[in-house]
Formats: sequence, C-alpha cells, structure tokens
Amino acid sequence: KAGVTQTPRYLIKTRGQQVTLSCSPISGHRSVSWYQQTPGQGLQFLFEYFSETQRNKGNFPGRFSGRQFSNSRSEMNVSTLELGDSALYLCASSEDGAQLGTQYFGPGTRLTVL
Amino acid sequence: GEDVEQSLFLSVREGDSSVINCTYTDSSSTYLYWYKQEPGAGLQLLTYIFSNMDMKQDQRLTVLLNKKDKHLSLRIADTQTGDSAIYFCAESNAGNMLTFGGGTRLMVKP
Repeated sequence: KAGVTQTPRYLIKTRGQQVTLSCSPISGHRSVSWYQQTPGQGLQFLFEYFSETQRNKGNFPGRFSGRQFSNSRSEMNVSTLELGDSALYLCASSEDGAQLGTQYFGPGTRLTVL
Repeated sequence: GEDVEQSLFLSVREGDSSVINCTYTDSSSTYLYWYKQEPGAGLQLLTYIFSNMDMKQDQRLTVLLNKKDKHLSLRIADTQTGDSAIYFCAESNAGNMLTFGGGTRLMVKP
C-alpha cells in the first residue's frame, strides 16, 4: 500500500496570508490526525478527524482549522499567518477510530512564513 | 496536563547497545510509542507497548515499561550508523491524540 502522502512538501507564504495543506491517508484508513513540529515547542497535536468529523482538538487558536472528505483525505487551513506558524506540519493516519497503536505519518509539509 | 520527558542527546559507538529513556506523567496512558525521525523526513513508527505489558521485543529493539515509575526505555542492540536519528517517545490515553517527548538525538560513531 502507498504510504501517507502530503502536499505540498514545501510552502513559503507571507504574514497575513492563508494556507491549505493536504493529506491523503493510507488506503482504508479513516482516521487522520495533524501535528505541528517546531524547534521550540516540539511536536504538538492539532486535531483528529474520523469519518468526516473532528474527534479531538489540541490547544491551538481558531486560525487553525481542518476538514475531512468522504474519501478520508484531509485538509488543514491556517488563516492570517503569523511568523510563529513556520513549522513542519505532519499528518498521520490510522486504520479506524480505535486506538490500535499504528499511526503512520507522512513526510510533512514544511511551511515558512516570511 | 500530560508531560513526556526525554534526554536531549545520546552518543554511542557502532556495535554497542543504545538505551534511550523516557518518563511520562499521565498515569492513564494506555499506549506508549517510539518513533524515529531522520533529517527531512516524517516520523517512522518503530514499536509500541500497551500499558499492561512490561516488555516487548522486536528484532534489535527492546522496550521496557515500568508503570509504577512511569518510565519507558528503548534499547537498540548492535547499533548501526543508520540508526542515527532523533527518537521520540509518545503516549496516548484515548483516541489517536499523541503527546510526544522532546526527542533524543542519537549519534552513532563508526
């Protein structure tokens, strides 16, 4: 099976703009989670989607949002970008909503905000 | 809230064993994980252990869990230069929300 894919891999934006990142989970996986990785804060959970519904949400401002489509692909959106939003955004998928210990991560999208 | 702590750096010689340690605070943690991250890459799931287990072995990897002390360790036998990477410990107690440690950078010297 193909792994988790994320597009684009690299992105450069300026402050105040918005950005949309995409994640395609492993075929058959219905749960998609998003994480932000920065040198200062490390890996932090953003949100999780399962069957097109947000199931869990981390402690991020409302500028961060996401959605999941019926084919389980997910997008996350960041509006009114700030310099501190520069990070590696990682997406992970797992087979279903139960905790199976098998979350698989994509390569990430590196976002740079100038 | 939950907290997961790891030492920042570990250096070993090729062929030696590496032991990476992790402590966590959430006593309701159900699953504990080890992930590996190489430069420019995402996270690779190495292994995981259920909280009702003490030990799990998978080829060169051995995970030990001391639930009383909330201490998790990853032992890599016969460490190779290809094992050089950052290793993250993570825990979860519900759903797919992972709490990660800060990562341990493993350097393997030839």
